[in-house]
Order: sequence, then C-alpha cells, then structure tokens
Amino acid sequence: GQNIDQPTEMTATEGAIVQINCTYQTSGFNGLFWYQQHAGEAPTFLSYNVLDGLEEKGRFSSFLSRSKGYSYLLLKELQMKDSASYLCAVRDSNYQLIWGAGTKLIIKP
Amino acid sequence: IAGITQAPTSQILAAGRRMTLRCTQDMRHNAMYWYRQDLGLGLRLIHYSNTAGTTGKGEVPDGYSVSRANTDDFPLTLASAVPSQTSVYFCASSDGGATGELFFGEGSRLTVL
Repeated sequence: GQNIDQPTEMTATEGAIVQINCTYQTSGFNGLFWYQQHAGEAPTFLSYNVLDGLEEKGRFSSFLSRSKGYSYLLLKELQMKDSASYLCAVRDSNYQLIWGAGTKLIIKP
Repeated sequence: IAGITQAPTSQILAAGRRMTLRCTQDMRHNAMYWYRQDLGLGLRLIHYSNTAGTTGKGEVPDGYSVSRANTDDFPLTLASAVPSQTSVYFCASSDGGATGELFFGEGSRLTVL
C-alpha cells in the first residue's frame, strides 16, 4: 500500500531551526508537496520538489531524495506564527495526491 | 479576490438527513476536489473533477456524490448522513500548471448526530 510517514508533533524554540522529516512509499512518484495548515484554517502551499536536492524559499527550504523516499522541510529563524501543522503529500503515478497525517509544530518563546 | 468559497462553514445534522456542501471558485481552474480531514489521518480524497462535466471517485467516495455542471461550482452531497461522516470537509482547485498546487477553501465542519 501507499504510505506517508511524518512525526506527529515537534516542539522548537523561537529563533531556532527545525527540520520536519517525511518518508514515503508510493506507487510511482510525480512530485512532493509541503503545505502549512494553521489550526482551524485551510492548508496553504509551501513548496514543491520533483528533482533531488534542496529548494530554498526565504526562511523555508525543502529537500528531496527520491532514491531514499525521503524529504524534509527546514524552517529557519522560527517565529511564533510558524506554529502550525505541516503536511507532506506525494503525487503518485496516477497523479493522485497521497497525504501524510501532518506534523504539529509547537513554537515556544 | 475570493478564491474558493465553501458554505456552510459549520453545520450540525441529524443522521439520515440529506446535506449539500457548496463550493465555488473564481479562479477558472479546471480541476476541483473534495477532501475530508479527520484527526490523526491525512487528507482523504472523496471525489474529484478534472474539468466541467466530468467527475471521478477518490479514496473514500461511498455515501457522497458530486456534480460539475460548470467550471466554478462543485457541490458535494451526502444523500443520507451517518455519524462516521462527521468531519471537516475541504474543497480545493488546481490550475494543473507546472506544480499543480492545490488552492483550498476554508473548510466546512460537519457534525452528524
């Protein structure tokens, strides 16, 4: 079956760096997405990786290794507003998105 | 710019009742989706539509139906609601571009008693 694994919850300190990991086993691969979802709100797009390597976008970076079925989202200079859930999703060979359950990130002052 | 609008925002419904969740987008996106989100689970696709006039079944379609009469509207109907359909429902759209990122509505929280 298809599976996306990510930690349920992580805690980090304001101003620090945090890495959220995502491992996947899917039928084919056509890209990996990271979305941010604040409590009670809709998910919003953060990043997309289809080739191996690091994609940097401001304080957020996303890394992909297709051979290892692995990605991470790196958040730098953490701010209180970064407290949210981070959803990893993989587009499979049928171009359907398979979603992880999300990682709830708690930022402490 | 509205993006995607869902209604109602929240609803409590008696089991056995019929319910339609509305979804309207103003971005002229071809593809639209309905997901449900439950605690501890990833988003699960209920139904999708790649273009007006066509629909398809997702991972958890049973008990739900959709229609796509035009580009903008994609309503989701629960013919006879059951408690297991208590969830937060998200409508989303995509322009099918290079990334195919999804744009989500604000969600509809449905409680079936």
